[in-house]
Order: sequence, then structure tokens, then C-alpha cells
Amino acid sequence: GAVVSQHPSWVICKSGTSVKIECRSLDFQATTMFWYRQFPKQSLMLMATSNEGSKATYEQGVEKDKFLINHASLTLSTLTVTSAHPEDSSFYICSARAPGRGETQYFGPGTRLLVL
Amino acid sequence: DAKTTQPTSMDCAEGRAANLPCNHSTISGNEYVYWYRQIHSQGPQYIIHGLKNNETNEMASLIITEDRKSSTLILPHATLRDTAVYYCIVKTNDYKLSFGAGTTVTVRA
Repeated sequence: GAVVSQHPSWVICKSGTSVKIECRSLDFQATTMFWYRQFPKQSLMLMATSNEGSKATYEQGVEKDKFLINHASLTLSTLTVTSAHPEDSSFYICSARAPGRGETQYFGPGTRLLVL
Repeated sequence: DAKTTQPTSMDCAEGRAANLPCNHSTISGNEYVYWYRQIHSQGPQYIIHGLKNNETNEMASLIITEDRKSSTLILPHATLRDTAVYYCIVKTNDYKLSFGAGTTVTVRA
């Protein structure tokens, strides 16, 4: 149990385009999901906390107009990287908090984004 | 959240127990100890967590000292697939996970 999926697993796009990444909790409902970013040889950095039915909370230094988060249902959160640039190339990982399991976070497999 | 200190890296032999230490001397009474691991190019995988008592599941055992200032994650029979970066994180249940550098564990045949 507690499976989180992400789609797509990797994406290549041209500079200036927008990319949407989906995060789904497959066997539980998640009122809270999280989005992280990981650059090569670095640890995960939290970008934002996504609450179902309300606006996301962004960490300091993360541009909310560039990284649009929508958490429209208890099993789906989306991250849209708008007007992507090469410096946005990274490994994007989501997690979902599982109520009733000690509030443990379960992670998706990640989405590798390459902006050319 | 309390900060943790972990060794940068460690090697262990396949088939032997791997003992991963973590210091968290400033942990608060309501903070849990969580362990995750990240295999190369994958999302982190939850391993185990605990508050005061020792915990065991199908993946590992977590031993927390009585004063809760340190803990040890035990992988009972390490395999090559256990090669990963292991993160020890302390936090309250309703707070965010904060990932440090972790311990890079290499299991050797």
C-alpha cells in the first residue's frame, strides 16, 4: 500500500514552453502533497506544500508564478513549470502524506525534466 | 526541527548487517525519527520511523537510545540492492521533511 505515481517519468522540452507533471496517490487519499526538486549530487529541496482545495504554500525563494501547483482532488496534484528555461532542468519529486499511517510521506518515482 | 548528523559514507559487506548511526542531540519530545533511502535516480523510499521505542518492520530495525539523542538503523542482511543514500530525519508529525546530505551506503559483494 501507499503507492505514489508520477507522470511523465521524463520530459524534454524547448525553452519557453510549459510542462505539467502529475502526482497521484494510487491507494490512499492525500489531503497534503509535497513537491521537491533535486539537482545533481544534491539533496532534495522542498519547493511547496499542496493542500487539496486550497492554495499551495511555497518555500522561500520558489517563484509561485513559475511553478503552478493545483491539488484539485484527494489523489491528484499537478506541478506546471511555466516558461521553462535550461536552469529549470532538474529531478522533480512529489510525495503524499498518508493519514492514519503516522502522517508518513510516501514519494513518487520522480520526473526528470530537461529544458533545451 | 532538530538537526541530525550522519556519517558521509560507509561500506558494508553483502549478507552482513549494516548499522547506520544518526545523532540528533537536540530532538524534542514530540519529534519522531524517520529514515528514508534514495536509490540512484529514484524517489526516496520510506523505511521506518519511531518515537521512543525500538521498531522493526520487514525492511529494517530502528534502535533509539533511551535519551533519544541518537539512533541506529539496522539492515539485517544487506544486499547489493540496498546500496543507496540513507537519510535520518527528525520532525513532528505535522511538519515538513527536511533532507540533509545523508549517508551514502555501498554494499560490496
